[in-house]
Amino acid sequence: DTGVSQNPRHKITKRGQNVTFRCDPISEHNRLYWYRQTLGQGPEFLTYFQNEAQLEKSRLLSDRFSAERPKGSFSTLEIQRTEQGDSAMYLCASSFGQGGSSYEQYFGPGTRLTVT
Amino acid sequence: QKEVEQNSGPLSVPEGAIASLNCTYSDRGSQSFFWYRQYSGKSPELIMFIYSNGDKEDGRFTAQLNKASQYVSLLIRDSQPSDSATYLCALNTGGFKTIFGAGTRLFVKA
Repeated sequence: DTGVSQNPRHKITKRGQNVTFRCDPISEHNRLYWYRQTLGQGPEFLTYFQNEAQLEKSRLLSDRFSAERPKGSFSTLEIQRTEQGDSAMYLCASSFGQGGSSYEQYFGPGTRLTVT
Repeated sequence: QKEVEQNSGPLSVPEGAIASLNCTYSDRGSQSFFWYRQYSGKSPELIMFIYSNGDKEDGRFTAQLNKASQYVSLLIRDSQPSDSATYLCALNTGGFKTIFGAGTRLFVKA
């Protein structure tokens, strides 16, 4: 499968626990995005990487969220001290782009997080 | 005012008809526009992208962009029940952040 993959697909955790999600982008894509989507809403931008550099992070993202993309390949998104409001689908997308333009993104299947 | 506005629907059309989905946006600096299809419980799938004013056709899909009026639309010709999904309008204002609308639910009746 040459598409974007995400693991795990589902995660149930108790409030206050830390969780980590992984995204493996399409191999030739240098850009990687994380989004959060709740029911009835479109994906909400969380953060963006170009290669290994995190170039943009949503102001809506609290300090409990952190993301990394070591070596510009896979990426991880960690949520510390989870809250019930963190329950959502976490989507990863990748694209290939140069310069300042944004190109079409390809999404992974998502990780559905449920905080109890 | 939301940055990207879409009618939530549902938009219901009979099989074989043309479905017209509309999206308006607030930032005149928006440069790139995208339509994604999202089936229930699945992730968004890119259908079309358009960067210049006018029409862009791809199979049964036509995207239309009017930057002066700040709207972008998606026409689906010969609608099929398999087209029933939520259609997300998205745009980029030149940076790295892509902004999505809440989506329009389309229902194609067989």
